[in-house]
Amino acid sequence: DARVTQTPRHKVTEMGQEVTMRCQPILGHNTVFWYRQTMMQGLELLAYFRNRAPLDDSGMPKDRFSAEMPDATLATLKIQPSEPRDSAVYFCASQQGQDGELFFGEGSRLTVL
Amino acid sequence: KQEVTQIPAALSVPEGENLVLNCSFTDSAIYNLQWFRQDPGKGLTSLLLIQSSQREQTSGRLNASLDKSSGRSTLYIAASQPGDSATYLCAARGPTGRRALTFGSGTRLQVQP
Repeated sequence: DARVTQTPRHKVTEMGQEVTMRCQPILGHNTVFWYRQTMMQGLELLAYFRNRAPLDDSGMPKDRFSAEMPDATLATLKIQPSEPRDSAVYFCASQQGQDGELFFGEGSRLTVL
Repeated sequence: KQEVTQIPAALSVPEGENLVLNCSFTDSAIYNLQWFRQDPGKGLTSLLLIQSSQREQTSGRLNASLDKSSGRSTLYIAASQPGDSATYLCAARGPTGRRALTFGSGTRLQVQP
């Protein structure tokens, strides 16, 4: 069945290491979002793409975070270097068009020691 | 900037009760509003999507209403069951130009058997 797939599901790393999270959107969905969820801040938008082009990355710390869509079936979120404050669950979500129903992946739980 | 608020933050009810979860948003110029459910350690599952032109949507025991002019949406759950226990989040899309969803902090529901 159609679903958003994220890898890895869990990642523990040490401060300063590079972290890459991957997302496969639902086939046919042309809009992809990255959200971060923490207890303190809730769900925060980091970046989103339509037809692989970045539309908004204003929620992302530019000095260490980068998001790309190498092709229509893969979105990546990279943190370099990682810091303990980056510990959170990172969600990818996809939809069709501008205002379609949004579907989430299971998330990547990141712990930076 | 759109802000979404959900009250109450937590709710505990006995099985069988009908209940209402509230969501309010500050900017009424939204395209649509979506309700999600999140189980612990899981991603968000879409429950209902209401377009700005609609007043309500129904799915099984769930009914969501939207009143744009007052900046409110409610999620009505009929005949609650222990399996309904989860966190419920609402998210507003818009205002005009901003097509990403802005999320509330959620209502954590526990249905006692």
